Amino acid sequence: EVQLVQSGSEVKKAGESLKISCKASGYWFTRYWIGWVRQMPGKGLEYMGIIYPDDSDTRYSPSFQGHVTISADTSINTAYLQWNSLKASDSAIYYCVRKSGYFHSDFDSWGRGTQVIVSS
Amino acid sequence: QSVLIQPPSTSGTPGQRVTISCSGSSSNIGGFTLHWYQQLPGTAPKVLIYGRNQRPSGVPDRFSGSKSGTSASLAISGLQSEDEGDYYCAAWDDSLNAYVFGTGTKVTVV
Repeated sequence: EVQLVQSGSEVKKAGESLKISCKASGYWFTRYWIGWVRQMPGKGLEYMGIIYPDDSDTRYSPSFQGHVTISADTSINTAYLQWNSLKASDSAIYYCVRKSGYFHSDFDSWGRGTQVIVSS
Repeated sequence: QSVLIQPPSTSGTPGQRVTISCSGSSSNIGGFTLHWYQQLPGTAPKVLIYGRNQRPSGVPDRFSGSKSGTSASLAISGLQSEDEGDYYCAAWDDSLNAYVFGTGTKVTVV
């Protein structure tokens, strides 16, 4: 069974850095694209980007390019989403997601989400 | 602002059939497979329809998808109270070089 287990909720201040994680299990980690989706309070879903752990090929949505960093550690089957300087507008739930195949495909597995609260 | 446009809301009575539209362009729906996701209150989304209108195991056949040109729709037949939630279409967009979600539709069972 595919599982994506995300790190717990975070409360941070604007300007601080943050790295949240997503530990994958139940499949060959290096052979599937894995990424992140944002959901701001009361709003819809936004694709942030994906990484192919086998070669670290990373594709960002233009909306998030330069604002976050997506990475993966194949030794512990874990993907990360990182901010160097948080803003209040980064407050949201962040879902870890796995692509079912090629990078045009659907997200067939979702983590439970990590809530990030950033105070100004 | 999303490039896939959905109606904000729709409603139906138990047993009724409802449809949700998703309007896009040749760079997304017109050129790539369209996916549908369901997000029930307080939970993570899950995929409902993928590929050529395929359903993952466990998704009832009450849910069906269709696509024509640059538009698509999701039909829910035999509407049930547990279907209340938000529904999103999504596809790859070749112009944006990104996966895009629709604006989302809230389904209410009255």
